[in-house]
Amino acid sequence: QQQVKQSPQSLIVQKGGISIINCAYENTAFDYFPWYQQFPGKGPALLIAIRPDVSEKKEGRFTISFNKSAKQFSLHIMDSQPGDSATYFCAASSRSGNQFYFGTGTSLTVIP
Amino acid sequence: DGGITQSPKYLFRKEGQNVTLSCEQNLNHDAMYWYRQDPGQGLRLIYYSQIVNDFQKGDIAEGYSVSREKKESFPLTVTSAQKNPTAFYLCASSSPGQARYGYTFGSGTRLTVV
Repeated sequence: QQQVKQSPQSLIVQKGGISIINCAYENTAFDYFPWYQQFPGKGPALLIAIRPDVSEKKEGRFTISFNKSAKQFSLHIMDSQPGDSATYFCAASSRSGNQFYFGTGTSLTVIP
Repeated sequence: DGGITQSPKYLFRKEGQNVTLSCEQNLNHDAMYWYRQDPGQGLRLIYYSQIVNDFQKGDIAEGYSVSREKKESFPLTVTSAQKNPTAFYLCASSSPGQARYGYTFGSGTRLTVV
């Protein structure tokens, strides 16, 4: 079954708006949560990541919010730009694991 | 520049054929991975290798095979036993002890059955 559940599947936002993508997990052994950005025809690239000892991490216009008790984390893109239009994947891994588990992806379109 | 090179970018396969996707990295990474990407399903792990001459099945290994004879190379063969091979295939790598901190991905190979 899907180890990491991601929503929404697609998102349309006006330029300058806030894009919010949500992910949830069940495995409490997960302790590292990255977000990847993928442009069409390209491989995903690491965007930002968080560990569960903090509730928020910000890098420029991108912020991860993490709720350990709810086992949820989200990506917020402030002042969204057309260049942010891409597919975003959340992921999770555990200290003992050999792989990342990916969400199903969110296709973001930012309208000028 | 260090990175991962996947080739070809596009590949067409006839029914019943085996095809091999190439993945080469010059990052000196020990671990390499193959993922399959389908619309609405995210990335699913096919095979991974943490050292040369050793590899493990991922979640969807049936119909695929790999080899790891060199640290730099991790080719994936899509066999005729894979019933629905049309997909976008991604190769990734990570450095020792750093796998849990993220992968470096290649640009992918889009395989289409004709």
